This record gives sequence, C-alpha cells and structure tokens, in this order.
Amino acid sequence: DAKTTQPTSMDCAEGRAANLPCNHSTISGNEYVYWYRQIHSQGPQYIIHGLKNNETNEMASLIITEDRKSSTLILPHATLRDTAVYYCIVRINTGTASKLTFGTGTRLQVTL
Amino acid sequence: GAGVSQSPRYKVAKRGQDVALRCDPISGHVSLFWYQQALGQGPEFLTYFQNEAQLDKSGLPSDRFFAERPEGSVSTLKIQRTQQEDSAVYLCASSRGGVRLAPLHFGNGTRLTVT
Repeated sequence: DAKTTQPTSMDCAEGRAANLPCNHSTISGNEYVYWYRQIHSQGPQYIIHGLKNNETNEMASLIITEDRKSSTLILPHATLRDTAVYYCIVRINTGTASKLTFGTGTRLQVTL
Repeated sequence: GAGVSQSPRYKVAKRGQDVALRCDPISGHVSLFWYQQALGQGPEFLTYFQNEAQLDKSGLPSDRFFAERPEGSVSTLKIQRTQQEDSAVYLCASSRGGVRLAPLHFGNGTRLTVT
C-alpha cells in the first residue's frame, strides 16, 4: 500500500472548519483513500473513503486532487468531540483481505 | 449496541503467563481482524480471518501469538509466555467483506499490561 504523509498535529477552533491534509504521492490508480479517526481510549472509527471524485457524508467531506497525489479531509463545523487522531490510509479495495496500514496520523485538538 | 465487543477491557499479566483476549464481531460480518497498538503509535495489523479461515497471519510477531475463530464468529487471540514488549492495546475489527469492501468496524480494544 502507498505511503501517506500527514502533519503530526493541528489545532482548530470549535465551530470552524478543520482541514486535514494528506500526501500520497505514490498512490496507484486502483488505490482508494480512506480516513479513520481514533478518539482517546476508543477503537478507530471509519469516516469516509474515495477513489478520485470528491465525497461527502454526514461526518465529513473528502477532497482529492486531480492528480490524486494528495487529499484533504474537511470537518465543516468542528466540535470538541472531534478531538482525535485522524488517519489517512491508501489501499487497494479488493473483495478479500481488507488489511489497513495505519501511520501515526494527525492529532487534531479542537479548542473553545 | 450492535458493535464489536472485546473482553476483557483491561488485562494485567505477570511475565510468562498466558492470556486470552476475546472478540465478538458484528453479527453476520465475514471478515475479522486483529491489530496491536503500542502507546503513541497507529494500530499494526496482526492477522485476518474470512469466516473460520485464517487467511493472513503475517503480522503476528512471534509463535507465541495464536488466533482462532473456530465457528466463523467469535475470535480469540492467545498470547503465550507473555513478555513486557507485548504490552499494548489489542484491537479487533470486523467487516462485511465482499467485492465493494465495507469499512472496518473496530472494538474499543483490550489493554494488556505485562509486569
């Protein structure tokens, strides 16, 4: 799976949009971009994934650049409960082994 | 709720003891994964089951680690002769699997401390 690069940490004021970047310059054509987050003392939680089109769900939006070498996860109105470690993962979406390779992620701190 | 359940939540073992960690996946989920998470690190893959078949155990760090899922539902991760370096959070995840791969649903883990 392609390697990803994320900032170690970020801060965001409550109510503002949180934009979390991820570089994946070696991504191949059949690899998807996944985002998970991990709140303290909990297991990782799936947020969103995409291939090349931008995606939006009830949690977040995912913007993937046209060359697919980077992406941004957007939390439109961050709350204190969004404080967590956010992991960007790229992997092939197969029907069998769905092993995810986590890096160290971005620690997002949402403040009042 | 109907999420992935792991027990015990915390386990303290003396070095050399054997431990068994249990995972109850979401009902009907075909795929089951075990991950190990050291303090301050991201989760690292240990092993993967599709139903009762263990299809990938490439992440198991030594032959002291053994996982099973005999009936394709509940899984147990066993660590024999625990060592201090085994101290970590052990996470279990399940998914529906299939061609359009569903996301992984994680439990809250078992924190193992080896003294």
